Amino acid sequence: KAGVTQTPRYLIKTRGQQVTLSCSPISGHRSVSWYQQTPGQGLQFLFEYFSETQRNKGNFPGRFSGRQFSNSRSEMNVSTLELGDSALYLCASSRTTSLNEQFFGPGTRLTVL
Amino acid sequence: GQQLNQSPQSMFIQEGEDVSMNCTSSSIFNTWLWYKQDPGEGPVLLIALYKAGELTSNGRLTAQFGITRKDSFLNISASIPSDVGIYFCAGLLETSGSRLTFGEGTQLTVNP
Repeated sequence: KAGVTQTPRYLIKTRGQQVTLSCSPISGHRSVSWYQQTPGQGLQFLFEYFSETQRNKGNFPGRFSGRQFSNSRSEMNVSTLELGDSALYLCASSRTTSLNEQFFGPGTRLTVL
Repeated sequence: GQQLNQSPQSMFIQEGEDVSMNCTSSSIFNTWLWYKQDPGEGPVLLIALYKAGELTSNGRLTAQFGITRKDSFLNISASIPSDVGIYFCAGLLETSGSRLTFGEGTQLTVNP
């Protein structure tokens, strides 16, 4: 069974640009959560989607948005990039919203110059 | 937001030694999870704890859900080189739905 996949794995952007990251959950999983990981702040929850609906949202500005498609694949978008957005963005999927079934992808490393 | 204080931040030990790390908070959690993250990978769930006082093992790993519901610890016995990595605790508040709060991680180095 394939794991959670995230594309791209690495990305370099400049300030002011926007970026879209993609997450394909494990087959059969309907919940996708996104996290930002930085050395200074650790892992911070961005948002969670279940069956195409956003169920929970973290304390991030409106520049961070996401969506989930009918096949459970999810994208997150960051507009007007800032230097501080440089981070590892992780997505995690689970069959339900049960946390002990949550599996993380390898992440997308975003560098903003 | 809610804070989880994880300690120690880093540990350097010899192969075969036992390791202990913990997370504490001023808030009450109803779930504690422990993850391990290897370089270039996402976190992998090691142990999940769901009620106060619960003690759960996974091989050489043992974790406990503190009685006050404000802390948890993870022990690794007889460490081996492949235990190297970053260990995270994560807690789930009663009111936060499925939103996890993570500790800042413990970087473990095991010298052969």
